[in-house]
Amino acid sequence: QVQLVESGGGVVQPGTSLRLSCAASGFTFSSYGMHWVRQAPGKGLEWVAVIWYDETNTYYADSVKGRFTISRDNSKNTLYLQMNSLRAADTAVYYCAREGFGGELLYWGQGTLVTVSS
Amino acid sequence: QSALTQPASVSGSPGQSITISCTGTSSDVGGYNYVSWYQHHPGKAPKLMIYDVSKRPSGVSNRFSGSKSGNTASLTISGLQAEDEADYYCTSYTSSSTPRVFGGGTKLTVL
Repeated sequence: QVQLVESGGGVVQPGTSLRLSCAASGFTFSSYGMHWVRQAPGKGLEWVAVIWYDETNTYYADSVKGRFTISRDNSKNTLYLQMNSLRAADTAVYYCAREGFGGELLYWGQGTLVTVSS
Repeated sequence: QSALTQPASVSGSPGQSITISCTGTSSDVGGYNYVSWYQHHPGKAPKLMIYDVSKRPSGVSNRFSGSKSGNTASLTISGLQAEDEADYYCTSYTSSSTPRVFGGGTKLTVL
């Protein structure tokens, strides 16, 4: 069955960097677009970034543009989110999600918590 | 890109029906038939309930249905059950540089 397992979260200081990973299994990873979505404490879901199945295109939310980079390694079935210049406002649970055939977010991981605090 | 507008909360009694609205613009909800709805129980992974405005993924109860009129999409849950109590989010494809936008979320309380 489809599994998405995020890792790499933790407590970091403002201005520092962190890289999240999402290990995928149970499907042909290189055939699907992948997304990152986050939820700050007490807030709603916020779409963060998407990467196409073949890495040809990436898009970002305005709130992270220029600071975050989404990437993937199709040979390792792994999705990444490189987060630089972290701010307190980036504190959230970060979920990776796989698209369905129409771009909907069909499968989700359990999330990894990132806390940005001094 | 502004978030889609959802009511903060709705409630209903077991067996009743409720509808959650999701209002956007012609650049997102009104312009594309790519509205999805997600159920989110705190501490768990969100779950896709409706996609492409009105389609249900395999395994989702037919008590859940979706529709759209103009710039407003709606999620209807019929025959409310206790386990339906959760947060619900809509999302849409958008023509802006950020191709996805979520609604602010609606907390459903089953009385």
